[in-house]
Amino acid sequence: AQTVTQSQPEMSVQEAETVTLSCTYDTSENNYYLFWYKQPPSRQMILVIRQEAYKQQNATENRFSVNFQKAAKSFSLKISDSQLGDTAMYFCAFMKRADKLIFGTGTRLQVFP
Amino acid sequence: ETGVTQSPTHLIKTRGQQVTLRCSSQSGHNTVSWYQQALGQGPQFIFQYYREEENGRGNFPPRFSGLQFPNYSSELNVNALELDDSALYLCASSLGPGQDTGELFFGEGSRLTVL
Repeated sequence: AQTVTQSQPEMSVQEAETVTLSCTYDTSENNYYLFWYKQPPSRQMILVIRQEAYKQQNATENRFSVNFQKAAKSFSLKISDSQLGDTAMYFCAFMKRADKLIFGTGTRLQVFP
Repeated sequence: ETGVTQSPTHLIKTRGQQVTLRCSSQSGHNTVSWYQQALGQGPQFIFQYYREEENGRGNFPPRFSGLQFPNYSSELNVNALELDDSALYLCASSLGPGQDTGELFFGEGSRLTVL
């Protein structure tokens, strides 16, 4: 069975600084997706970034980038130039192709002015 | 393009009652998944519907059931409510198998409180 582990329950960062959220996962699959979702107080899960396991290049979306280490089964999220609007719960998630999402327990990120 | 909408946004029930939650999928999506998110936890997969058929189920008892309609909207029904059913219930829509991009689009959830 696949598992996703987020070892940082809470993180904080000052506005304009950079922060990295950690995620590890366990799977015997070779073809899968990894995701970071953001959940603000509004509750809606918003996709931040997506990585396909067969792609060696790390995904990047504006200020958000990942460090995908397939052999180590590690998938960290780096947020550059943090903004107050980045304050939210962040969930790392795993999915086999056309299957369900498996979420970690989340990291609460607080961005301070 | 309309997003995923869920109703109701909040509701309160008592133990033993039944509840129905509703979800309209994003335009063009034929697959709907339901997740339960307990307070302080990550979402847990309940089940998925593809073209009106159940297409995968998580570790939830049979009193959790669902439907998908021809317009791809969906319902989650929970019978004999228990206190532990108190949670945020999230609906997500996506393209079906064969068109899968791995991306799910979530609604804002229905917050259920069982007293």
